[in-house]
Amino acid sequence: DTGVSQDPRHKITKRGQNVTFRCDPISEHNRLYWYRQTLGQGPEFLTYFQNEAQLEKSRLLSDRFSAERPKGSFSTLEIQRTEQGDSAMYLCASSLGTESGANVLTFGAGSRLTVL
Amino acid sequence: AQSVTQPDIHITVSEGASLELRCNYSYGATPYLFWYVQSPGQGLQLLLKYFSGDTLVQGIKGFEAEFKRSQSSFNLRKPSVHWSDAAEYFCAVGDAPGGSYIPTFGRGTSLIVHP
Repeated sequence: DTGVSQDPRHKITKRGQNVTFRCDPISEHNRLYWYRQTLGQGPEFLTYFQNEAQLEKSRLLSDRFSAERPKGSFSTLEIQRTEQGDSAMYLCASSLGTESGANVLTFGAGSRLTVL
Repeated sequence: AQSVTQPDIHITVSEGASLELRCNYSYGATPYLFWYVQSPGQGLQLLLKYFSGDTLVQGIKGFEAEFKRSQSSFNLRKPSVHWSDAAEYFCAVGDAPGGSYIPTFGRGTSLIVHP
């Protein structure tokens, strides 16, 4: 098992461009989470999936943010019309769907976004 | 809503000294509690977790934490710090069964280790 993989690790873009991040979770994990982390802060929850179902998306930061997990495996997080305030580390994590395991997140290394 | 407070933004210790990082949580029932560590350029790694039972839990890398319900605390300790322990440490609280299983993280404590 290679853990949680995120791609790209770094993305530099110009304001107004769209960006997409990909996350490949641990294969036997059916829950997948996206968090955002800004400098000096802890991870901030954005959204999560149980298999292909997106169970919570009200905390996505704006309607410019969207996430998918079409076949219950990998997931993508898209940010449209990026703004400088979107610059952050975007973290993906996965977990088992069991009651005790659902809380135990395994994180990827993150995708760092810089918006110029 | 659940929340976590890590009152210390930075902690500086000398190598070989003992360490205690503070964490206070707010949650209506018995929480699931976690400590994660993040080294520069790395993702968060789970150090230890508390679900129930013995309130003193052991983790990886020689860390331990104690759950104190009366103080709503889950402080992280290590008896002798190594230079490689320098990193960012995050406390998190998760829902008990029946909840949404969305862990909430504190803002983190940066550990600086002097030689």
